[in-house]
Amino acid sequence: GESVGLHLPTLSVQEGDNSIINCAYSNSASDYFIWYKQESGKGPQFIIDIRSNMDKRQGQRVTVLLNKTVKHLSLQIAATQPGDSAVYFCAEPTPNFNKFYFGSGTKLNVKP
Amino acid sequence: DAGITQSPRHKVTETGTPVTLRCHQTENHRYMYWYRQDPGHGLRLIHYSYGVKDTDKGEVSDGYSVSRSKTEDFLLTLESATSSQTSVYFCAISAGNEQYFGPGTRLTVT
Repeated sequence: GESVGLHLPTLSVQEGDNSIINCAYSNSASDYFIWYKQESGKGPQFIIDIRSNMDKRQGQRVTVLLNKTVKHLSLQIAATQPGDSAVYFCAEPTPNFNKFYFGSGTKLNVKP
Repeated sequence: DAGITQSPRHKVTETGTPVTLRCHQTENHRYMYWYRQDPGHGLRLIHYSYGVKDTDKGEVSDGYSVSRSKTEDFLLTLESATSSQTSVYFCAISAGNEQYFGPGTRLTVT
């Protein structure tokens, strides 16, 4: 089956700096990826997605980059704020979207 | 939040006792899922359902059973709880390309 993983369990950044959270995947045929944010005591929430026909997708203060050559994607958060403190997961659905596979997560700590 | 609720939100139970967790959704979604979340493992799929009475196993289904007698309810049962099943359990529904999660149930098996 699909396999996605994250590089670092914890990332600490200063408020106002940019954050980069990384994720690797194993299946070169993977077509679609999603980033989720999970705040303490809550369920994960959708942040942004990207299809394999794109290298970059931007949202509000977030950008996802996809490098298909090395099977790597990253989530960039600009001007990180205390409210960005959470665990971030990359996820990959099966082609028919029946199941989703999640990475182990990176905990982002934002220092004031 | 896609109208997903879970009950109970917290439960402490003893080893060997049966436990049932309930997931309820209000928007008539066909696909529903149960995950467990443990440190270092992310979210792991236990079971999922693709319709009333239609269920299938996920990657960590041993020790768990599910039932879906109505579209809106998906039940997860631990027939005989073990300490290794201490975890946070999340229910989710699938809508289009996304999954929406409930608030979670923290289960402690002593």
